Amino acid sequence: GESVGLHLPTLSVQEGDNSIINCAYSNSASDYFIWYKQESGKGPQFIIDIRSNMDKRQGQRVTVLLNKTVKHLSLQIAATQPGDSAVYFCADYYSGGYQKVTFGTGTKLQVIP
Amino acid sequence: DAGITQSPRHKVTETGTPVTLRCHQTENHRYMYWYRQDPGHGLRLIHYSYGVKDTDKGEVSDGYSVSRSKTEDFLLTLESATSSQTSVYFCAISDGDMSNQPQHFGDGTRLSIL
Repeated sequence: GESVGLHLPTLSVQEGDNSIINCAYSNSASDYFIWYKQESGKGPQFIIDIRSNMDKRQGQRVTVLLNKTVKHLSLQIAATQPGDSAVYFCADYYSGGYQKVTFGTGTKLQVIP
Repeated sequence: DAGITQSPRHKVTETGTPVTLRCHQTENHRYMYWYRQDPGHGLRLIHYSYGVKDTDKGEVSDGYSVSRSKTEDFLLTLESATSSQTSVYFCAISDGDMSNQPQHFGDGTRLSIL
């Protein structure tokens, strides 16, 4: 987990505040998107997914927004907790190309108690 | 957590030696994948399997081979390890095609080639 990136962008958030993490993707044909959370020394963990026929999807304390026009994805975490500290990255999938996936390099979320 | 076990978790070896990493799943998922994760890069797909004895190449397959003789096991082999293959390797599984179903990942193998 700690080797995701040499200079990962970092978002520092006060505990209890909302967090917004952004991701840009390049393949305009991508039709399935996932946000993953990766803690140090662990594998990526699925958070939430969204398909291209939607622009918003909500889970427990998390919301994903998809803007296909500008190829942008965001993850909103409500009432951020210390346990949310991790690296977050998006992945975009293209069903028209066999097993075609692109993962982002990630954003480190640091929650300040 | 999905039942995925990677072994070994850490390995140090020398250039030119063969290395095999193992991924074992207890979920009976059809699809299994091997990725590598390096600084400055997102996860990159090495090889994947869509069933027993059915495998195909991913984005960065050169220097790697895979085998899947049982549903639960997917092996990644570096025939002759090079320093550029130093990386963290993740196995993932999915019940359906990755463009329709989320993948679930193991906790990785940290491989160092000296």
